[in-house]
Amino acid sequence: EVQLVESGGGLVKPGGSLRLSCSASGFTFSSFSLNWVRQAPGKGLEWVSSISSSNNYIYYSDSVKGRFTISRDNAKNSVYLQMNSLTAADTAIYYCARTPESDSGGVYAIFWFFDLWGRGTLVTVSS
Amino acid sequence: EIVLTQSPATLSLSPGERATLSCRASQSVSNYLAWYQQKPGQAPRLLISDASNRATGIPARFSGSGSETDFTLTISSLEPEDFAVYYCQQRANWPLTFGGGTKVEIK
Repeated sequence: EVQLVESGGGLVKPGGSLRLSCSASGFTFSSFSLNWVRQAPGKGLEWVSSISSSNNYIYYSDSVKGRFTISRDNAKNSVYLQMNSLTAADTAIYYCARTPESDSGGVYAIFWFFDLWGRGTLVTVSS
Repeated sequence: EIVLTQSPATLSLSPGERATLSCRASQSVSNYLAWYQQKPGQAPRLLISDASNRATGIPARFSGSGSETDFTLTISSLEPEDFAVYYCQQRANWPLTFGGGTKVEIK
């Protein structure tokens, strides 16, 4: 089955750290870009970070830049989000989402939309 | 940052009716706009990519149109399972941004 499964969420105190993981199965992980998108309780979707298949392109939202680090291990079919200096504003469900890439006729392209999502993992930052 | 404004915030319709959802960008995104559906307690699901390309397995009653700054998601005849929140998302510029969502509710 083609799927993404997040883990690592939980309750953490302000200023603390957490590492989220996303494990992929059912597709060629190394051929896709991966992303983290979050959703605060009762709110809309917010893009957090993205990483291309070969780590050549890494992006962060301004709200997490300098505090969060995205990484991937293609041998383990996994992507990670290291989150430091957490605040209450980081409380949200964190979704892992896949982005398709294309390398056709020598033209490489990343289509930065999200064609597969995990079920999410809840991060709560509270004292 | 490109701001996406979705309207209306809530759309109250009956099954069988046509739904028309709008997404307006603060600057041109060409056709680099996607639509997602999210039901309560579930992850979002991709419906449409690049303004008008239906994703795999998405029923033909869902269609997308538009370019530059004005986009529309149309559900031709609402089924009971279509009542949900819909988001647009642009990939023309970093940061990637989402609209605030339109809730389609049963009238």
